[in-house]
Amino acid sequence: DAGVIQSPRHEVTEMGQEVTLRCKPISGHNSLFWYRQTMMRGLELLIYFNNNVPIDDSGMPEDRFSAKMPNASFSTLKIQPSEPRDSAVYFCASRIGASGSSEQYFGPGTRLTVT
Amino acid sequence: KQEVTQIPAALSVPEGENLVLNCSFTDSAIYNLQWFRQDPGKGLTSLLLIQSSQREQTSGRLNASLDKSSGRSTLYIAASQPGDSATYLCATVGNQGGKLIFGQGTELSVKP
Repeated sequence: DAGVIQSPRHEVTEMGQEVTLRCKPISGHNSLFWYRQTMMRGLELLIYFNNNVPIDDSGMPEDRFSAKMPNASFSTLKIQPSEPRDSAVYFCASRIGASGSSEQYFGPGTRLTVT
Repeated sequence: KQEVTQIPAALSVPEGENLVLNCSFTDSAIYNLQWFRQDPGKGLTSLLLIQSSQREQTSGRLNASLDKSSGRSTLYIAASQPGDSATYLCATVGNQGGKLIFGQGTELSVKP
């Protein structure tokens, strides 16, 4: 299995531009998570899906952030408009099941820089 | 609200030493606890997962323990090697079965 796949790996954009991050979870996994990592705040959950349905989006910082999971093998995290404080590493993770008893597997991350 | 703390923030040891990394959490109503390793500029690699009903898990030179009542977990690394140098993160999953709550990590450096 290829593991969790994220694209792009690096993104540099100017303030005000739209940014779309993509994630392909491990095949057969039915929970998907988006996390953000910064030096100041560490790793924080933004949103997670069970069976393509958003369950908890309380970590989404503002309305500028939105996430979708149109099918079991693809999810996007969109920031519109982007701001310099959005600069961070964004991780996608997936897990078998919805109960929380199994491990989460992380992708390599997307390093976003907003200038 | 769950808070996860890891002490120390950084640790430097000579090669071959056994070491213990600490993780504490404020809410003992957890579903499980997971230890991760993160190399610089890389993603997270899952090391061990301990279910709330378990006391410990072992994988090779790694042993993780869990004491829910005291809100503590430890990661024991035996015979440390320079290749063990990385940041180690612990994270809890609450009884709602969803998100991981992470500590800030312990940055480990093993000197040859």
